[in-house]
Amino acid sequence: EPEVTQTPSHQVTQMGQEVILRCVPISNHLYFYWYRQILGQKVEFLVSFYNNEISEKSEIFDDQFSVERPDGSNFTLKIRSTKLEDSAMYFCASTGGGSTEAFFGQGTRLTVV
Amino acid sequence: ELKVEQNPLFLSMQEGKNYTIYCNYSTTSDRLYWYRQDPGKSLESLFVLLSNGAVKQEGRLMASLDTKARLSTLHITAAVHDLSATYFCAVDSINDMRFGAGTRLTVKP
Repeated sequence: EPEVTQTPSHQVTQMGQEVILRCVPISNHLYFYWYRQILGQKVEFLVSFYNNEISEKSEIFDDQFSVERPDGSNFTLKIRSTKLEDSAMYFCASTGGGSTEAFFGQGTRLTVV
Repeated sequence: ELKVEQNPLFLSMQEGKNYTIYCNYSTTSDRLYWYRQDPGKSLESLFVLLSNGAVKQEGRLMASLDTKARLSTLHITAAVHDLSATYFCAVDSINDMRFGAGTRLTVKP
């Protein structure tokens, strides 16, 4: 069964450092999403991406965040200068290309110290 | 902005009982999802509902969609301990997919 792959599974970074979270969506999918989930809390929408550009973004997705699809397979989320409150699980999802389901990766647990 | 409201937020049930989780949303949607999340894990897709009146069932879970009322329900029949998890609804409206706050379900013997 096709799956969304996220790397790394866990990243620890110092406050103020830049991090890049990576996602490989399902190959024929067209719509890509990033979400974050602070431990035990709700799943918060960050951004959606279609046709090589951002479709929607939330108020959380400020100037310190950016997304890229640098090649035909990867979809990345960059946090420029991490803050303690960025510590969370970050999930990537993809859908489209004939699929009605949105599939989620296993997540990257980001810990900012 | 698309808003999704889910209730209850916490649900403690006895095994064998029935209950319903509700999901309301604010705008027209392309599709509605139900996901299950176990602690520390990712989101597992349970159902995708595409059209008004859609009903899907898997085991002890049944999901329905009323697009006119902008309401979906997840009905649990004869709950068992294995169903203990957090359940989320998510609404997709033109490439904007938002989640409800989640219902933390605990099934007690």
